[in-house]
Amino acid sequence: SQTIHQWPATLVQPVGSPLSLECTVEGTSNPNLYWYRQAAGRGLQLLFYSVGIGQISSEVPQNLSASRPQDRQFILSSKKLLLSDSGFYLCAWSVLRSEAFFGQGTRLTVV
Amino acid sequence: DQQVKQNSPSLSVQEGRISILNCDYTNSMFDYFLWYKKYPAEGPTFLISISSIKDKNEDGRFTVFLNKSAKHLSLHIVPSQPGDSAVYFCAARRVYGGSQGNLIFGKGTKLSVKP
Repeated sequence: SQTIHQWPATLVQPVGSPLSLECTVEGTSNPNLYWYRQAAGRGLQLLFYSVGIGQISSEVPQNLSASRPQDRQFILSSKKLLLSDSGFYLCAWSVLRSEAFFGQGTRLTVV
Repeated sequence: DQQVKQNSPSLSVQEGRISILNCDYTNSMFDYFLWYKKYPAEGPTFLISISSIKDKNEDGRFTVFLNKSAKHLSLHIVPSQPGDSAVYFCAARRVYGGSQGNLIFGKGTKLSVKP
C-alpha cells in the first residue's frame, strides 16, 4: 500500500533562517507530488507541483522553492524565512485521474 | 480569482440531522470533484468524489450531488455524528485535456455536530 511521510511535524524558526521540509512517498512510482499551504482563513493553497524528477512548477510567487531529486522525494526550501511564511504545510501525491493523498503536515512558525 | 468557493465558513447541526455543505466552482473545464475532511493538525483525508458525467455519488452516510449547469456541488451527511466535526474542503480538477490534474481547493467549511 502507498504511504506518504512528511517531517518534521512542527518547526519553529527565526526570521531569516533557512528552511527544508522533506516528503517521501512509498508504494507508488512516478507520482505527481504537491506542496500545499494552509494559512489562517485561506484554505489550501497550492504552492508547487511536480510531474517528474527535476520538474517543478510554481503556482504562486513567493519566498519558497521546491526540488524533486528522486522520484518519490519532494523538498520544500527557503533560503531566508519571512514571518509570512508561517503556516501549515502539506505534501501530497496522486497519480493522474485519482484523488490526492496528503501527509500529516508540518506546522511552521516563524518568529 | 477563486475557482472553487465555499461560501459558508462554518456550519452547526444537531446530531442525527442532515449536514449539507455547499461548494461552487467557476471553471467549466473541471470534470472531477472531491471532498476532503480535515482535523486540526492533520492532513486532509479523502472522503468522496464525483465525476462530471454523474450527478450523484453515494458512500454510506455521505452523498455528493453535482449540478453542472449551476456549477454547484454539495455534500450531504446523514445522519450527522459528533465525529463528523471537522473542516470539509471541496476540491476540483481537470482530468482530461492535457492537464496534470492539479487539485484546486476551496477555503473549507468547519462543521460542528452537537450531541
